[in-house]
Amino acid sequence: GDSVTQMEGPVTLSEEAFLTINCTYTATGYPSLFWYVQYPGEGLQLLLKATKADDKGSNKGFEATYRKETTSFHLEKGSVQVSDSAVYFCALYPYGNNRLAFGKGNQVVVIP
Amino acid sequence: DVKVTQSSRYLVKRTGEKVFLECVQDMDHENMFWYRQDPGLGLRLIYFSYDVKMKEKGDIPEGYSVSREKKERFSLILESASTNQTSMYLCASSPKLTGLGYGYTFGSGTRLTVV
Repeated sequence: GDSVTQMEGPVTLSEEAFLTINCTYTATGYPSLFWYVQYPGEGLQLLLKATKADDKGSNKGFEATYRKETTSFHLEKGSVQVSDSAVYFCALYPYGNNRLAFGKGNQVVVIP
Repeated sequence: DVKVTQSSRYLVKRTGEKVFLECVQDMDHENMFWYRQDPGLGLRLIYFSYDVKMKEKGDIPEGYSVSREKKERFSLILESASTNQTSMYLCASSPKLTGLGYGYTFGSGTRLTVV
């Protein structure tokens, strides 16, 4: 069935470092793809999205490009800040009947 | 902006109690969802609803029920709380055509501890 896979394990990096979080998907059709961010103690917020192949979503310095040929939607940021410390979830639509499928999430810790 | 409001940020309940978690959205969304979030397990869908008085089981419905009497309100009920239901509970809503770039809007979550 349709699914989303995120890289295993937390990510720890220094301030101003380059961040990449990998996301690959399995889908029978042409899904829409999303990245959500969850700051400590909060719910999830939509960070960016792409609804068709080769679209690039961007927000707050983060970018992700919908790559149909590699079934990927990797999240990148060129220079992270301590305030970017959060959990990041990749998601796909549709899953089942009008639902989103979420990856397991990646904890990102940015050290000053 | 769409707002999804969960009635409590933190709750502490005793084993065996009946627990109600309330969620209200203010943008006339058709779809509403309840998830629980646990370390290492990601988000797991408990129940969802596509319309008033409609409900469908998600991946882990055991021990839970839901109620949707009004379009804007979706309640999660723990019939008899147990310690393994200690978790963060997240409510979300979306318009009918979720995939057209809208995605879900989440509430801030309720951290429930069952003692």
